[in-house]
This record gives sequence, structure tokens and C-alpha cells, in this order.
Amino acid sequence: RKEVEQDPGPFNVPEGATVAFNCTYSNSASQSFFWYRQDCRKEPKLLMSVYSSGNEDGRFTAQLNRASQYISLLIRDSKLSDSATYLCVVNMATGGFKTIFGAGTRLFVKA
Amino acid sequence: GAVVSQHPSWVICKSGTSVKIECRSLDFQATTMFWYRQFPKQSLMLMATSNEGSKATYEQGVEKDKFLINHASLTLSTLTVTSAHPEDSSFYICSARDSNSGRPDTQYFGPGTRLTVL
Repeated sequence: RKEVEQDPGPFNVPEGATVAFNCTYSNSASQSFFWYRQDCRKEPKLLMSVYSSGNEDGRFTAQLNRASQYISLLIRDSKLSDSATYLCVVNMATGGFKTIFGAGTRLFVKA
Repeated sequence: GAVVSQHPSWVICKSGTSVKIECRSLDFQATTMFWYRQFPKQSLMLMATSNEGSKATYEQGVEKDKFLINHASLTLSTLTVTSAHPEDSSFYICSARDSNSGRPDTQYFGPGTRLTVL
């Protein structure tokens, strides 16, 4: 089982739609969580951190469920510019700092 | 803030040559930098953790003699791909943690270096 798992998609949605991604992690010692977006042939860029209480940034809402060991990202009112790959990232502090990336979920927003 | 640069952004080389990639934190000090490799349609795979003033820590399966890492200052880490072969062709990305920020576990990524070995 992969340490961080994501549905690879692709998710094809029309503009204005609401779309949600989930990510599960296997190590209960995981400490911090992030969503990054990566455009084609570009580096990942931090989208938002994910906290136990959840957090919202404009059209984006991230939630963390430690009991079930999953993280979610909700995008409301999708824009064409939201088309990208969304990476779930988990940090663990087991014998040293370790970051695990999910394989990413591809989103295509169409007019 | 928290800008990381990489140089070169792309490189094409002949098989057997060595290629050096630089990663710089421009506006913060980074005691730790990370080197990743990403093949098409795959996720980032951590190659090694670069620690300023000490030896890098390599992930399992990554040859330390092939991928030489030097982290000589708090703002610069270099990755040298020695005797490159076509299978080393990939997108190499570095990241750095701002040790003095309120979120030291957040990584900031460089723009990546696309290596093509002919």
C-alpha cells in the first residue's frame, strides 16, 4: 500500500462546478499536510496547508480527518485556470523529517 | 518571500558527461534542501536530503556516487549527475525549508531543471 494515495483522475468538470479530491495516508505518525498544485512541466506550488480544524482560502477548502487518515480539497466555482495536477503532501517526523508526495490528481476545467 | 531558484532550467548533454544543477534560496537561509526527480506522469520522488555543512542523506536506491550533492552554504546546494545516461533524463526539482519561518515544515520548490541525456 502506498504511503499517500490519491485518485489520479482525470476529473473533467465544467466551469463553475464544485469538485472534491481526497487523499489517504497510511502512517498515523504523519504530522503536517499540504496541498500543492503542479502545472504541466512546472514545479509544484504550495496551494494551502491543512490543519486539524480545516481551513479555507477563497474558493478552496481543505479538511483533515486524522481518525480516518484522509485529507480533502474542495474547489468551488471552478475556473479554467484551476486546471492542473493537485498533489497531496504529507510530512512525517519518524527518525527524521520525511515528506511523501501523492501521485497527484489531474483536473481539467472546461468552458 | 521564500523564493528558490534553480540553474540551469534545462540542459541537453551527451551520454557519459557530468551535469551540475544549482539550487539557491534567494531570500532565506535553508539548512536543509531536498532533491527530487520526476518522470513524466509520475509523482516527485525524493532522491536525497541535503544538509548544510554535512553529508547528504540519500534515499534507498539512489546511488550517492552518481548523484553528488554539495551543500556548502545556507543558500546553495548543488546536484551533480555524473556520467549521465539516457535513463537519467528527467525533471530534477529542488526544494528548501525556511528554518526561521513560522512553518519550517513547508517546502518551497525551485522551478526545476529538465535534463535530457542523448
